[in-house]
Amino acid sequence: DAGVIQSPRHEVTEMGQEVTLRCKPISGHNSLFWYRQTMMRGLELLIYFNNNVPIDDSGMPEDRFSAKMPNASFSTLKIQPSEPRDSAVYFCASSWDGGNQPQHFGDGTRLSIL
Amino acid sequence: GDSVTQMEGPVTLSEEAFLTINCTYTATGYPSLFWYVQYPGEGLQLLLKATKADDKGSNKGFEATYRKETTSFHLEKGSVQVSDSAVYFCALSDGGSNTGNQFYFGTGTSLTVIP
Repeated sequence: DAGVIQSPRHEVTEMGQEVTLRCKPISGHNSLFWYRQTMMRGLELLIYFNNNVPIDDSGMPEDRFSAKMPNASFSTLKIQPSEPRDSAVYFCASSWDGGNQPQHFGDGTRLSIL
Repeated sequence: GDSVTQMEGPVTLSEEAFLTINCTYTATGYPSLFWYVQYPGEGLQLLLKATKADDKGSNKGFEATYRKETTSFHLEKGSVQVSDSAVYFCALSDGGSNTGNQFYFGTGTSLTVIP
């Protein structure tokens, strides 16, 4: 079975540009999570969706970040405008919320803002 | 609220040494507990899990037992290999609600195994 698929794997762009990260969760999973990982702050939950509805976005750092989940098989995380401090690895994870199922992670998008 | 506290790293061991990475948790309900492993340049992978007290999760020679009395879920391996070098995360799932399972991750413990 295909796992969580993220694209792009790497993104390098200049400060001020819009960045869009994409995620396809595992088919049948109904919860989707976006995380950011840096050396300084570790793994941080940005937002999570359940049945395509945003449940908790308290981890979104500021209004420059937005996330959408238009259907069960696709989600985006957008940064506009981007800043150098947004450089990090961004992970998407999905799970099925019955019976304490684990989260399954994608391979991440390594984002560098110059 | 729910949380996970795990042992600070980094940890450096010689090959074939015994490994313990401590993890304790705080939870109001009946959580499930997980260990994830992250190899360089990759995402987190589920290593093992336990869903109720006294359960033992095991995989690839790693084990962890869900201890409700000490609120702990320590990761152990009897003989580590160089290929076990990675970052290990302890995690807790709050048991779910009508809005899905919320997960809480520890800060990660970096393990380096030297030949």
